[in-house]
Amino acid sequence: NAGVTQTPKFQVLKTGQSMTLQCAQDMNHNSMYWYRQDPGMGLRLIYYSASEGTTDKGEVPNGYNVSRLNKREFSLRLESAAPSQTSVYFCASSPPDDGPTQYFGPGTRLLVL
Amino acid sequence: GDSVTQMEGPVTLSEEAFLTINCTYTATGYPSLFWYVQYPGEGLQLLLKATKADDKGSNKGFEATYRKETTSFHLEKGSVQVSDSAVYFCALGGGTSYGKLTFGQGTILTVHP
Repeated sequence: NAGVTQTPKFQVLKTGQSMTLQCAQDMNHNSMYWYRQDPGMGLRLIYYSASEGTTDKGEVPNGYNVSRLNKREFSLRLESAAPSQTSVYFCASSPPDDGPTQYFGPGTRLLVL
Repeated sequence: GDSVTQMEGPVTLSEEAFLTINCTYTATGYPSLFWYVQYPGEGLQLLLKATKADDKGSNKGFEATYRKETTSFHLEKGSVQVSDSAVYFCALGGGTSYGKLTFGQGTILTVHP
């Protein structure tokens, strides 16, 4: 099992550009999550998907959209990137029988100029 | 709402020293508690967890006990190694926020030979 995979690993954008961060898991997990990590602030939840076909806002959803494409894939889109969105983005998933326990991908480092 | 507070870092120790990283929480309901570790350039890995009061989670020589009376989940290790240098995150999940994790700000640990 590859676990949780994310692409790309690193991306540089100019202000106003758009991009989609991809996440996939091969563990047959129901729930998936997107977090951002900023220095001194831990991880903050952007959006989550409790199951295929559902998505909900987390703590910091402004400026982002998500798509739960199928059970395996959960993408995060920045429609018009801003320097404040410079961060490291992590995707995670959790199994149906152990809801709070999450397993993380390696992260995408995003720099918005 | 739920919150997690970790001791301020960074923490610098010599090899074989005793480690304690303090973590306290505020939550409604009966959450599960977690410690995650992040090695340089990598994603978060689950280190240990406890799902109810007085449970002790342990892994790789690290341990933490879920103390409901003091709302704490302090991480300890009797003898640290250079390879333990990483960022450690305390988190809570479940309870009234089923499936979602709330993270502390992280504690940087550096171990010198």
